[in-house]
Amino acid sequence: SQQGEEDPQALSIQEGENATMNCSYKTSINNLQWYRQNSGRGLVHLILIRSNEREKHSGRLRVTLDTSKKSSSLLITASRAADTASYFCATDSTGYSTLTFGKGTMLLVSP
Amino acid sequence: NAGVMQNPRHLVRRRGQEARLRCSPMKGHSHVYWYRQLPEEGLKFMVYLQKENIIDESGMPKERFSAEFPKEGPSILRIQQVVRGDSAAYFCASSDRDRPLYGYTFGSGTRLTVV
Repeated sequence: SQQGEEDPQALSIQEGENATMNCSYKTSINNLQWYRQNSGRGLVHLILIRSNEREKHSGRLRVTLDTSKKSSSLLITASRAADTASYFCATDSTGYSTLTFGKGTMLLVSP
Repeated sequence: NAGVMQNPRHLVRRRGQEARLRCSPMKGHSHVYWYRQLPEEGLKFMVYLQKENIIDESGMPKERFSAEFPKEGPSILRIQQVVRGDSAAYFCASSDRDRPLYGYTFGSGTRLTVV
Protein backbone atom coordinates (compact mmCIF):
# COMPACT_ATOMS: atom_id res chain seq x y z
CA SER A 1 0.00 0.00 0.00
CA GLN A 2 1.10 3.58 -0.54
CA GLN A 3 2.91 4.96 2.45
CA GLY A 4 3.36 8.53 1.32
CA GLU A 5 0.60 10.50 -0.32
CA GLU A 6 1.48 13.88 -1.80
CA ASP A 7 -0.87 16.77 -2.07
CA PRO A 8 -1.62 18.45 -4.40
CA GLN A 9 -1.28 16.08 -7.35
CA ALA A 10 -0.42 19.01 -9.59
CA LEU A 11 0.63 22.58 -8.94
CA SER A 12 1.06 25.40 -11.43
CA ILE A 13 2.73 28.67 -10.42
CA GLN A 14 4.63 31.63 -11.85
CA GLU A 15 8.36 32.12 -11.56
CA GLY A 16 9.26 33.85 -8.32
CA GLU A 17 6.34 32.41 -6.38
CA ASN A 18 6.70 29.85 -3.62
CA ALA A 19 5.57 26.25 -4.06
CA THR A 20 4.38 24.11 -1.17
CA MET A 21 3.83 20.38 -1.40
CA ASN A 22 2.55 18.16 1.35
CA CYS A 23 3.07 14.51 2.16
CA SER A 24 1.21 12.25 4.56
CA TYR A 25 2.27 8.81 5.63
CA LYS A 26 0.90 5.98 7.74
CA THR A 27 3.54 4.21 9.80
CA SER A 28 6.44 5.10 12.07
CA ILE A 29 9.49 6.28 10.20
CA ASN A 30 13.24 6.61 10.61
CA ASN A 31 13.39 9.47 8.16
CA LEU A 32 11.53 11.08 5.29
CA GLN A 33 13.16 12.08 2.03
CA TRP A 34 12.16 14.26 -0.89
CA TYR A 35 13.20 13.52 -4.45
CA ARG A 36 12.78 15.36 -7.73
CA GLN A 37 12.20 13.68 -11.08
CA ASN A 38 12.43 15.55 -14.34
CA SER A 39 10.31 14.15 -17.14
CA GLY A 40 11.73 10.88 -18.40
CA ARG A 41 14.68 10.98 -16.05
CA GLY A 42 15.83 9.38 -12.82
CA LEU A 43 15.28 10.64 -9.30
CA VAL A 44 17.49 13.20 -7.66
CA HIS A 45 17.73 13.28 -3.88
CA LEU A 46 16.85 16.71 -2.49
CA ILE A 47 16.74 16.51 1.27
CA LEU A 48 16.41 14.05 4.15
CA ILE A 49 14.80 14.84 7.49
CA ARG A 50 15.07 12.48 10.43
CA SER A 51 12.21 11.55 12.68
CA ASN A 52 13.64 13.60 15.55
CA GLU A 53 13.96 16.74 13.43
CA ARG A 54 11.16 19.23 12.83
CA GLU A 55 12.58 21.49 10.14
CA LYS A 56 15.47 21.47 7.71
CA HIS A 57 16.76 23.89 5.10
CA SER A 58 18.84 23.42 2.00
CA GLY A 59 19.24 26.40 -0.29
CA ARG A 60 15.75 27.38 -1.50
CA LEU A 61 14.23 24.25 0.03
CA ARG A 62 12.57 24.06 3.42
CA VAL A 63 11.19 20.81 4.76
CA THR A 64 9.09 20.35 7.87
CA LEU A 65 8.11 17.15 9.60
CA ASP A 66 5.28 16.60 12.06
CA THR A 67 5.46 13.04 13.33
CA SER A 68 2.34 13.46 15.48
CA LYS A 69 0.33 14.16 12.33
CA LYS A 70 2.47 11.88 10.16
CA SER A 71 2.96 14.64 7.63
CA SER A 72 5.70 16.63 5.95
CA SER A 73 5.84 19.65 3.69
CA LEU A 74 8.33 20.79 1.09
CA LEU A 75 8.56 24.50 0.37
CA ILE A 76 10.46 25.78 -2.66
CA THR A 77 10.99 29.52 -2.41
CA ALA A 78 11.43 31.90 -5.32
CA SER A 79 10.69 29.17 -7.84
CA ARG A 80 12.31 29.04 -11.26
CA ALA A 81 11.25 27.46 -14.54
CA ALA A 82 14.01 24.89 -13.97
CA ASP A 83 12.14 23.68 -10.86
CA THR A 84 9.47 22.20 -13.14
CA ALA A 85 9.45 18.50 -12.27
CA SER A 86 7.63 15.86 -10.24
CA TYR A 87 8.40 15.80 -6.54
CA PHE A 88 8.12 12.66 -4.46
CA CYS A 89 8.27 12.06 -0.76
CA ALA A 90 9.64 8.74 0.39
CA THR A 91 9.64 7.23 3.85
CA ASP A 92 12.23 5.01 5.41
CA SER A 93 10.19 3.09 7.94
CA THR A 94 11.40 1.34 11.03
CA GLY A 95 12.24 -2.27 10.32
CA TYR A 96 12.93 -1.76 6.63
CA SER A 97 15.92 -0.40 4.80
CA THR A 98 14.04 0.52 1.65
CA LEU A 99 11.91 3.48 0.64
CA THR A 100 8.17 3.74 0.18
CA PHE A 101 7.19 6.44 -2.29
CA GLY A 102 4.06 8.48 -2.80
CA LYS A 103 2.57 9.21 -6.21
CA GLY A 104 4.18 12.62 -6.41
CA THR A 105 3.27 16.23 -7.09
CA MET A 106 3.77 17.59 -10.60
CA LEU A 107 5.05 21.15 -10.37
CA LEU A 108 4.90 23.46 -13.36
CA VAL A 109 6.68 26.80 -13.04
CA SER A 110 5.88 29.22 -15.85
CA PRO A 111 8.26 32.01 -16.83
CA ASN B 1 32.43 9.30 -10.44
CA ALA B 2 29.88 8.30 -13.04
CA GLY B 3 27.02 7.75 -10.61
CA VAL B 4 24.61 4.84 -10.93
CA MET B 5 24.66 3.51 -14.47
CA GLN B 6 21.72 1.66 -15.92
CA ASN B 7 21.48 0.10 -19.32
CA PRO B 8 19.88 -0.07 -21.64
CA ARG B 9 17.96 3.21 -21.34
CA HIS B 10 15.17 1.86 -23.49
CA LEU B 11 14.27 -1.77 -24.12
CA VAL B 12 11.55 -3.14 -26.35
CA ARG B 13 10.55 -6.77 -26.02
CA ARG B 14 7.81 -8.87 -27.55
CA ARG B 15 5.48 -10.76 -25.28
CA GLY B 16 7.12 -13.97 -24.13
CA GLN B 17 10.69 -12.77 -24.51
CA GLU B 18 13.17 -12.17 -21.71
CA ALA B 19 14.27 -8.76 -20.50
CA ARG B 20 17.62 -8.17 -18.80
CA LEU B 21 18.21 -4.87 -17.07
CA ARG B 22 21.64 -3.95 -15.76
CA CYS B 23 22.70 -1.65 -12.96
CA SER B 24 26.23 -0.64 -12.02
CA PRO B 25 26.22 1.07 -8.63
CA MET B 26 28.31 4.06 -7.74
CA LYS B 27 31.92 3.32 -6.97
CA GLY B 28 32.22 2.18 -3.38
CA HIS B 29 28.54 1.29 -3.05
CA SER B 30 27.72 -2.31 -2.21
CA HIS B 31 23.97 -1.94 -1.65
CA VAL B 32 21.63 -2.03 -4.63
CA TYR B 33 17.87 -1.49 -4.77
CA TRP B 34 15.48 -2.00 -7.67
CA TYR B 35 12.24 -0.05 -8.03
CA ARG B 36 9.51 -0.08 -10.66
CA GLN B 37 7.52 2.96 -11.75
CA LEU B 38 4.28 2.61 -13.63
CA PRO B 39 2.95 5.61 -15.61
CA GLU B 40 1.69 8.42 -13.36
CA GLU B 41 2.71 6.46 -10.26
CA GLY B 42 5.42 6.66 -7.65
CA LEU B 43 8.18 4.11 -7.40
CA LYS B 44 7.45 0.71 -5.91
CA PHE B 45 10.21 -1.24 -4.18
CA MET B 46 11.10 -4.57 -5.72
CA VAL B 47 14.32 -5.97 -4.27
CA TYR B 48 17.33 -5.04 -2.14
CA LEU B 49 20.66 -6.76 -2.71
CA GLN B 50 24.16 -6.69 -1.39
CA LYS B 51 27.05 -8.39 -3.11
CA GLU B 52 26.03 -12.02 -3.75
CA ASN B 53 23.06 -11.76 -1.38
CA ILE B 54 19.39 -10.94 -1.68
CA ILE B 55 18.47 -9.05 1.47
CA ASP B 56 14.81 -8.26 0.84
CA GLU B 57 12.74 -9.37 -2.14
CA SER B 58 9.35 -8.67 -0.66
CA GLY B 59 8.38 -6.44 -3.58
CA MET B 60 9.26 -8.89 -6.32
CA PRO B 61 6.49 -10.73 -8.14
CA LYS B 62 6.67 -14.40 -7.25
CA GLU B 63 7.03 -15.60 -10.81
CA ARG B 64 9.12 -14.57 -13.81
CA PHE B 65 11.19 -11.98 -11.95
CA SER B 66 14.65 -12.54 -10.50
CA ALA B 67 17.59 -10.39 -9.45
CA GLU B 68 21.23 -10.92 -8.72
CA PHE B 69 24.25 -8.88 -7.70
CA PRO B 70 27.32 -11.01 -8.34
CA LYS B 71 30.72 -10.53 -6.76
CA GLU B 72 31.96 -9.05 -10.02
CA GLY B 73 29.90 -7.04 -12.46
CA PRO B 74 26.59 -5.22 -12.39
CA SER B 75 23.36 -6.14 -10.72
CA ILE B 76 20.89 -7.77 -13.11
CA LEU B 77 17.11 -7.69 -12.98
CA ARG B 78 15.69 -10.42 -15.18
CA ILE B 79 12.12 -10.69 -16.35
CA GLN B 80 11.23 -13.89 -18.11
CA GLN B 81 8.29 -14.30 -20.52
CA VAL B 82 7.40 -10.64 -20.40
CA VAL B 83 3.79 -9.52 -20.60
CA ARG B 84 2.31 -6.11 -21.46
CA GLY B 85 1.82 -5.34 -17.77
CA ASP B 86 5.60 -5.42 -17.27
CA SER B 87 5.91 -2.23 -19.32
CA ALA B 88 7.28 0.34 -16.90
CA ALA B 89 10.37 2.28 -15.93
CA TYR B 90 12.77 0.30 -13.76
CA PHE B 91 15.11 2.25 -11.54
CA CYS B 92 18.14 1.15 -9.63
CA ALA B 93 19.53 2.93 -6.60
CA SER B 94 22.70 2.34 -4.67
CA SER B 95 24.17 3.28 -1.32
CA ASP B 96 27.33 2.73 0.65
CA ARG B 97 25.51 1.43 3.71
CA ASP B 98 22.20 0.31 4.99
CA ARG B 99 20.18 3.46 5.62
CA PRO B 100 22.53 5.99 4.01
CA LEU B 101 22.79 9.22 5.92
CA TYR B 102 22.11 11.45 2.93
CA GLY B 103 19.69 9.49 0.80
CA TYR B 104 20.06 7.13 -2.12
CA THR B 105 21.58 7.70 -5.55
CA PHE B 106 19.34 6.68 -8.41
CA GLY B 107 20.17 5.78 -11.98
CA SER B 108 18.32 7.22 -14.96
CA GLY B 109 16.26 4.07 -15.36
CA THR B 110 15.44 1.54 -18.04
CA ARG B 111 12.15 2.02 -19.82
CA LEU B 112 10.77 -1.34 -20.81
CA THR B 113 8.09 -1.55 -23.44
CA VAL B 114 6.44 -4.88 -24.14
CA VAL B 115 4.73 -5.11 -27.51
